Amino acid sequence: DTAVSQTPKYLVTQMGNDKSIKCEQNLGHDTMYWYKQDSKKFLKIMFSYNNKELIINETVPNRFSPKSPDKAHLNLHINSLELGDSAVYFCASSPQRGPHNEQFFGPGTRLTVL
Amino acid sequence: QQPVQSPQAVILREGEDAVINCSSSKALYSVHWYRQKHGEAPVFLMILLKGGEQKGHDKISASFNEKKQQSSLYLTASQLSYSGTYFCGTGSGGSYIPTFGRGTSLIVHP
Repeated sequence: DTAVSQTPKYLVTQMGNDKSIKCEQNLGHDTMYWYKQDSKKFLKIMFSYNNKELIINETVPNRFSPKSPDKAHLNLHINSLELGDSAVYFCASSPQRGPHNEQFFGPGTRLTVL
Repeated sequence: QQPVQSPQAVILREGEDAVINCSSSKALYSVHWYRQKHGEAPVFLMILLKGGEQKGHDKISASFNEKKQQSSLYLTASQLSYSGTYFCGTGSGGSYIPTFGRGTSLIVHP
């Protein structure tokens, strides 16, 4: 009964490739997020969608493009991968937007760019 | 503005207590606490929404001092299962989501 799921769990790829990470939540939440966690464990917000509408778009290279086909799904596509993109990417969801809402995190996708 | 957590790391023996602090330069409306075990996702512990609020379950509790713009997480009689990295996330005016601190690594030894 997974609440927030991500695929794949591991992704190893060459520099310059394009890859996608998928996220789904079955909690009925309105808001979803993508975070990047680097090797120093810093959790950095990248994007947030509320009911399929983009509400947060932090300073992230244009090579990263989120897509939310419906409010239960938020995918992340990355073009022209670079070494610095290596990190763990977490998807999360919360009942609504707003800093008073608990966030539920997916298991993470460990991306390694060679 | 990212909240500041202290200490950066704590090493304890089972049964000892620990306090992790989280402070912000901005007025706070909410403070979240999460724990992340190695190789896993962060897991929500608790959220404090009002100044002066205190919460807890089991032997983990937290307080929120709105005036001082800070929160503290108290781990009492620590267990091996408490090991992990603890993150605070702070919510302030105009923000859609909490901003996370850099985490405090807690290691509990037998």
